[in-house]
Amino acid sequence: EAGVVQSPRYKIIEKKQPVAFWCNPISGHNTLYWYRQNLGQGPELLIRYENEEAVDDSQLPKDRFSAERLKGVDSTLKIQPAELGDSAVYLCASSFIQGGDSGANVLTFGAGSRLTVL
Amino acid sequence: AQSVTQLGSHVSVSEGALVLLRCNYSSSVPPYLFWYVQYPNQGLQLLLKYTTGATLVKGINGFEAEFKKSETSFHLTKPSAHMSDAAEYFCAVSVRSQGNLIFGKGTKLSVKP
Repeated sequence: EAGVVQSPRYKIIEKKQPVAFWCNPISGHNTLYWYRQNLGQGPELLIRYENEEAVDDSQLPKDRFSAERLKGVDSTLKIQPAELGDSAVYLCASSFIQGGDSGANVLTFGAGSRLTVL
Repeated sequence: AQSVTQLGSHVSVSEGALVLLRCNYSSSVPPYLFWYVQYPNQGLQLLLKYTTGATLVKGINGFEAEFKKSETSFHLTKPSAHMSDAAEYFCAVSVRSQGNLIFGKGTKLSVKP
């Protein structure tokens, strides 16, 4: 079974340029997460989807960041325009939540997309 | 709100020595606790988790952790370190019906031959 697939793995852009990251979750997983991991820090949630619905986007900087999850499967995270402080690894994760307790579910992470803004 | 504190951003042990990575949490309600490992250029992988029941949890690769409510701790241990254990380890917390994980800053484990 393929894991969570992210692309591109690495991206270098100049500030004020746009950038987009793509994520393909594990087949059948209904919940998808985007996290940002700054150097020397733990991952921080940007947005969480349950199927097509963004159920938590409270930490997403909406002035420059946008995300979508088409048909409840793949997802794209976009930054426009990028700033120097956006340099980080962007992690996508997925899980399957079936009623019950979403707090106990296990996330499967992709390898991440490393963004460098010059 | 929940939070996690990992004591020590970098831990170095000799091969065969005990591994102890510390994690303390803060939560106003019963927590769920996780340890994830991240190898270079790879995604995070679950080592073990505590939700309810037995407070000593065994995970993959010989790791285990004990939930101690009185100490608000969930330290990760392994009796004998192996070179392949070198990685970054993250402690994380969530609570019932909250689908988000709150991560600590991570501890990088180095294993010396």
